[in-house]
Amino acid sequence: SYVLTQPPSVSVAPGRTASIPCGGNNIGSKGVHWYQQKPGQAPVLVIFYDSDRPSGLPERFSGSNSGNTATLTISRVEAGDEADYYCQVWDSNSDHVVFGGGTKLTVL
Amino acid sequence: DVQLVESGGGLAQPGGSLRLSCAVSGFSVTSFEMNWVRQAPGKGLEWVAYIGSGGGKIFYSDSVKDRFTISRDIGNNSVNLQMNSLRADDSAVYYCARFPMVSDYMDVWGKGTTVTVSS
Repeated sequence: SYVLTQPPSVSVAPGRTASIPCGGNNIGSKGVHWYQQKPGQAPVLVIFYDSDRPSGLPERFSGSNSGNTATLTISRVEAGDEADYYCQVWDSNSDHVVFGGGTKLTVL
Repeated sequence: DVQLVESGGGLAQPGGSLRLSCAVSGFSVTSFEMNWVRQAPGKGLEWVAYIGSGGGKIFYSDSVKDRFTISRDIGNNSVNLQMNSLRADDSAVYYCARFPMVSDYMDVWGKGTTVTVSS
């Protein structure tokens, strides 16, 4: 089955840029989606189809996808961005939704 | 307003059953594909099941296949998850989530319902 790999944690200082990678075999050929989850809350979609943002989401959130790595980038990081972030794809070979293991973003 | 509200969680014994329901408002379950996603305490998100807008396409994760059944109740505009042969590792918060039309990301999520499997 298809596997998505994320680092368990990423740390960044306020105002700097955070990059959260999501690795998968030829992931560049798939549409990658990203969710933000804060403690005790349901996940919230932040990026869909690699780089599209839901309406109302700050432009500080962006995404890219090429080769074997998709990346969520958060510019000018704020304390309120501290959360767990998950990447997700649809694996058409198995007809399964696949999530990455999640990355905890810590704002120093 | 588009809203998903899960219910039916609680305590179940190993080997027992529970039925979760996801009440949908603001759209029809006959027009959108729906999913169940779970999250064990302190763990990441795990997809559980999918049902297509027509009801005919249904997929399950390997961990729940042959034990869980996803279905729709068109009259009540809800999506259900019948969980049988429950195990301790089925303990989790269960979320209902929608795929928007012709898409495979989840744009609307419920707040979740907690299932605990313990003797």
